[in-house]
Amino acid sequence: KAGVTQTPRYLIKTRGQQVTLSCSPISGHRSVSWYQQTPGQGLQFLFEYFSETQRNKGNFPGRFSGRQFSNSRSEMNVSTLELGDSALYLCASSLAGSFTYGYTFGSGTRLTVV
Amino acid sequence: SQKIEQNSEALNIQEGKTATLTCNYTNYSPAYLQWYRQDPGRGPVFLLLIRENEKEKRKERLKVTFDTTLKQSLFHITASQPADSATYLCALSNRDDKIIFGKGTRLHILP
Repeated sequence: KAGVTQTPRYLIKTRGQQVTLSCSPISGHRSVSWYQQTPGQGLQFLFEYFSETQRNKGNFPGRFSGRQFSNSRSEMNVSTLELGDSALYLCASSLAGSFTYGYTFGSGTRLTVV
Repeated sequence: SQKIEQNSEALNIQEGKTATLTCNYTNYSPAYLQWYRQDPGRGPVFLLLIRENEKEKRKERLKVTFDTTLKQSLFHITASQPADSATYLCALSNRDDKIIFGKGTRLHILP
């Protein structure tokens, strides 16, 4: 079966712009989580969606937002980009939460802000 | 604040030996602990999950222990192979499923 698909794989944006990243979870998975990964901070939790509702949220500013559609696909939006937003953004899906089967991650979107 | 610590230095192990990675945590009472493997340019891959009431879990050449008194998990790879070289991440979660990850330990298996 197809894995978690993230698009695009790479993005270069300018400071002040906004960006939208997309994630298609494994078919049947209803939970989608987003993470930011940087060399200095490691993997940091952004938010989790389950059946179109945000279930958990990390400690990121309001410039970071997300949503989930009825087909479980999810999008993440970052507005007013800053240089520090350069990172690998990872999406992870699971059937109903990670505590039984763990998460399946996509390969990520590498965002570079210049 | 909640903190997870993994060996920040890379770990070099001779092929065939057992690699042991450590995950320590503070200010947290996890219900679950997970281990993931991450290769360069790829997302993490789920390996094992252990619950707070379990002491040990095994899967093929992998073994995980979970000591809630010491606030520590050990991750073992027996009969290590060069293909096991990767970064290994420890992750903790509570029943609300809010997961926090460690920064990972880079493991090099030397042929």
